[in-house]
Amino acid sequence: DAGVIQSPRHEVTEMGQEVTLRCKPISGHNSLFWYRQTMMRGLELLIYFNNNVPIDDSGMPEDRFSAKMPNASFSTLKIQPSEPRDSAVYFCASSPTPGQSGTKDTGELFFGEGSRLTVL
Amino acid sequence: AQSVTQPDIHITVSEGASLELRCNYSYGATPYLFWYVQSPGQGLQLLLKYFSGDTLVQGIKGFEAEFKRSQSSFNLRKPSVHWSDAAEYFCAVGARWTGNQFYFGTGTSLTVIP
Repeated sequence: DAGVIQSPRHEVTEMGQEVTLRCKPISGHNSLFWYRQTMMRGLELLIYFNNNVPIDDSGMPEDRFSAKMPNASFSTLKIQPSEPRDSAVYFCASSPTPGQSGTKDTGELFFGEGSRLTVL
Repeated sequence: AQSVTQPDIHITVSEGASLELRCNYSYGATPYLFWYVQSPGQGLQLLLKYFSGDTLVQGIKGFEAEFKRSQSSFNLRKPSVHWSDAAEYFCAVGARWTGNQFYFGTGTSLTVIP
């Protein structure tokens, strides 16, 4: 089975530009998570979705950040405008929802390889 | 409030030596506990997890962890470390009924010296 797929793997942009990060979760997983990883703050949960619906976006740092999940197989995290302090590795993860029929609920998160963002 | 504490930011061990990485959690219900490993430039990979039952759980790559409810701990151990074990290790806690919310510790960086 394909794992969680993220793109791009690396992105270098200039301050003020719009950045869009993409994620394809594991087929059949109904929960999707966006995390940000920095040296200073470690892994931070930005937002997570259940059945394409945002459940908790309290970790989104500010209005410049937005996330969407238009369908079960695709999610985006957008930063507009980007700033140097947004430089980080952004991870997407998916998981079966507890009790989700037809899936083996192992309770864990499955992570993508991350998108490394550098804002100059 | 839910939280995970990994008190050791960085640990250095010699190859072949034993390893123990500490993890303490604060959780308002019976937790599900996890250890993940992250190699440089990679995503997080699950090492092992505890849901219920035997408090000593075995994972991949020769790792094990023991859940101690009285100490709110879930320490990771390996009897003999290999150079390839050098990585960042994260402890996490979650509960299924909270919609799969997970809380990660800040990580412990492991260096293995020959």
